[in-house]
Amino acid sequence: NAGVTQTPKFQVLKTGQSMTLQCAQDMNHNSMYWYRQDPGMGLRLIYYSASEGTTDKGEVPNGYNVSRLNKREFSLRLESAAPSQTSVYFCASSEKPPGQGFTGELFFGEGSRLTVL
Amino acid sequence: GDSVTQMEGPVTLSEEAFLTINCTYTATGYPSLFWYVQYPGEGLQLLLKATKADDKGSNKGFEATYRKETTSFHLEKGSVQVSDSAVYFCALVVNTGNMLTFGGGTRLMVKP
Repeated sequence: NAGVTQTPKFQVLKTGQSMTLQCAQDMNHNSMYWYRQDPGMGLRLIYYSASEGTTDKGEVPNGYNVSRLNKREFSLRLESAAPSQTSVYFCASSEKPPGQGFTGELFFGEGSRLTVL
Repeated sequence: GDSVTQMEGPVTLSEEAFLTINCTYTATGYPSLFWYVQYPGEGLQLLLKATKADDKGSNKGFEATYRKETTSFHLEKGSVQVSDSAVYFCALVVNTGNMLTFGGGTRLMVKP
């Protein structure tokens, strides 16, 4: 009963390095999301994928890229990490996309804590 | 735009105390309202929700009532436990075409 699985759980990078956060869900959900969580700022949407083959920008997309590899997997890439990207990153999924029956219920992974030095 | 405002934490209570976490919102349309909870080291999970005015959502002893006249959705529990220590997020979605909008979160610490 895995739900949403994120890897890695912890990562330390130097400024300018690149990395990819992986996310997979086993609930056959159509939509997947990447959020970042920063102290005092709640959760902010980086990118989302309403369905397999589509991706869209969220509130804070600059410095990130995403790939919806298949229905299960949605990865987040930092091409050139900056200290401002130090954060906790959450992947989430929903059964249906916004605009097509989205109920407001998201299922979250446990998070990936990224530190950029 | 849509927004959610929560009381700043941390909120520190003794076990068996009464809990209220305030949440107010502004929305461009008629929202559905949610409370999510994040236990230490975990992702968020849905705690309860309400989809129309005067609805009461409830789960695990927590309750919140959708008050359209005061644009509020305050979270309450009559007797908190140490295991309720977590961060609580209020959220809304205006019709099914939009994304969830989250508040900033309120950390609750319950001491034995």
